[in-house]
Parts: sequence; C-alpha cells; structure tokens
Amino acid sequence: AQSVTQLDSQVPVFEEAPVELRCNYSSSVSVYLFWYVQYPNQGLQLLLKYLSGSTLVKGINGFEAEFNKSQTSFHLRKPSVHISDTAEYFCAVSEPTSYDKVIFGPGTSLSVIP
Amino acid sequence: DTGVSQDPRHKITKRGQNVTFRCDPISEHNRLYWYRQTLGQGPEFLTYFQNEAQLEKSRLLSDRFSAERPKGSFSTLEIQRTEQGDSAMYLCASSLLLAGTDTQYFGPGTRLTVL
Repeated sequence: AQSVTQLDSQVPVFEEAPVELRCNYSSSVSVYLFWYVQYPNQGLQLLLKYLSGSTLVKGINGFEAEFNKSQTSFHLRKPSVHISDTAEYFCAVSEPTSYDKVIFGPGTSLSVIP
Repeated sequence: DTGVSQDPRHKITKRGQNVTFRCDPISEHNRLYWYRQTLGQGPEFLTYFQNEAQLEKSRLLSDRFSAERPKGSFSTLEIQRTEQGDSAMYLCASSLLLAGTDTQYFGPGTRLTVL
C-alpha cells in the first residue's frame, strides 16, 4: 500500500532564507507525486506535480521539487521564502493506474519569521 | 471563473443528528471527490464520482455516510446519526479528466463539529 511521510511537522524559517520540506513515499509501483499548499481557512491548492520526464519540477510561487526514485523522495524547495508562504504543505502520491486516489501525507506547517 | 464551492462552511451539531453538506464543482468538471481532514493530518479519500456514477468508496465511509451526485453536477454528502468522531473538515475537489491525467481543485471545506 502507498504511504507518504513528511518527517517535519513544523518548519520555522526566517524571511528570505531558503527552505526544504521533506517528503518520502512508499510504493511498489511507479507513482505520480504532488505538493499542495493550504493557506489558513482556504482549500488546498496545487503547487506542482511530477508525472514523468524531468525529475526537477517547477511550480507556482517559486517552489520546485526533485523526484529521486532511488531514495523514494520528493522534497520541496524554495530559495527565498516570503511571509506569504506561511501555510500548511502536503505531499501526496497516486498510482498511474489509480490516478484518482490521492494519498496525502500528514503535512508540514511552514512558519516564515519576519 | 468560480472555483469549487462548499456549503455550509461551518456546521455545529449534536451527536445523533443528521447533517448534509453540498459541493458545487467547477463547471464542466466530470469528476468530484470527497475527503475528510482531521486536525494535524492530511486529507483522507472518502469517495469519488465520475459524472453521476460513484466509482469508489473508501473503507472510511461507513454505512452512516452517503454521497450523491444526481445530475452529474453538484454533490451532497450526508452523515446520519453523527458521532463525535465525525468532527473534521470535509473537503470537496473536482477535476476534468483529460488523456488519463487530471488535477484536483479543492473547495474551502466544511468544518463539522459534533458536540
């Protein structure tokens, strides 16, 4: 069965500093990978997704993620964070044969400190 | 361009009561999903529809839960005889399936509190 691990439940970081949010998954087959962001009192918004091809995926708001098959990881990075990036970030996985069923990780709360 | 909307945004009910939530997907999206999110956790898949057909249900969806999408547009999620453990955020998402891939767009959610 698929599962997603986000080891860091909370990540505080100073404004304009770089950040990396870690995500590891387990699956016996190839996967699709996603990062979603949830701002306070709002729904989830897709940041980026990996379906195939280049392992470095660029998303909205300056975020990018790199798929590493050997390490079963899909870490999210941003070189310089803003106050407005404060939110909950969810890594998610689905199988190509079952694209509809998206399994989410527990989330990482990013707090940007001015 | 309106996104996914959900109504109500908040619902407080007493244990044992029935509640119904509504989700209006993005126009022309043929797939609609329901998730449940508890505090400190990611969303958990409950069920999804393609047009009006309910194609999959999670084991999380007990007999007290029922979802419908009668005309392939809006959907309702009903919980009968609510329990305190049902307290959660209920999220709806919709997508347009094209060429085997789609992106799910989420609504703001309905927060249910069972007293």
